[in-house]
Amino acid sequence: DQQVKQNSPSLSVQEGRISILNCDYTNSMFDYFLWYKKYPAEGPTFLISISSIKDKNEDGRFTVFLNKSAKHLSLHIVPSQPGDSAVYFCAARGNNFNKFYFGSGTKLNVKP
Amino acid sequence: GAGVSQTPSNKVTEKGKYVELRCDPISGHTALYWYRQSLGQGPEFLIYFQGTGAADDSGLPNDRFFAVRPEGSVSTLKIQRTERGDSAVYLCASSPTVLSGRTDTQYFGPGTRLTVL
Repeated sequence: DQQVKQNSPSLSVQEGRISILNCDYTNSMFDYFLWYKKYPAEGPTFLISISSIKDKNEDGRFTVFLNKSAKHLSLHIVPSQPGDSAVYFCAARGNNFNKFYFGSGTKLNVKP
Repeated sequence: GAGVSQTPSNKVTEKGKYVELRCDPISGHTALYWYRQSLGQGPEFLIYFQGTGAADDSGLPNDRFFAVRPEGSVSTLKIQRTERGDSAVYLCASSPTVLSGRTDTQYFGPGTRLTVL
């Protein structure tokens, strides 16, 4: 039973355009959400996070939006750069323990 | 400073053998996590340590899997009687623990790719 879902296994975007990666979750008790970026043969690298008390968090070209009523979060990258090409994972934390649930990832390809 | 390191980077073993995978967390991080990542999937939680104790081992698939962190720093994931289905990348992550007792950002190692023939 997957509690965090990324339904798009891949996404292709032109350089300079916006990339939008989506993530859905089923557990309304999740209180903290994160996005990780992963290059081949490396571990995931933390990108950006958001607490459930907020609906938006921005860091440079990266913005995460949280819609609690829809149990949906998205990561916006603008403008997209070829170096952003990687697999992106969203993750969520339960509110009463330090256990994290990850989605299956979306492979982003930014074309020059 | 040094990040999370994992050894070996690759491990090939035969079905039925015993393996140990090592994780060196970032110095001072009290929380340590083990995950398993199968092809095309995201990291799957196995176990979480707070200091020397396993605070949550609910993700360990069966009793062939065991992990220790005797001094609150280095951790070893041990798999007995390996099976072909154990083949995956095993990721370790460490995290500082904030005053509330929660962990936020996890810092991952590069992983150990385990192949069971």
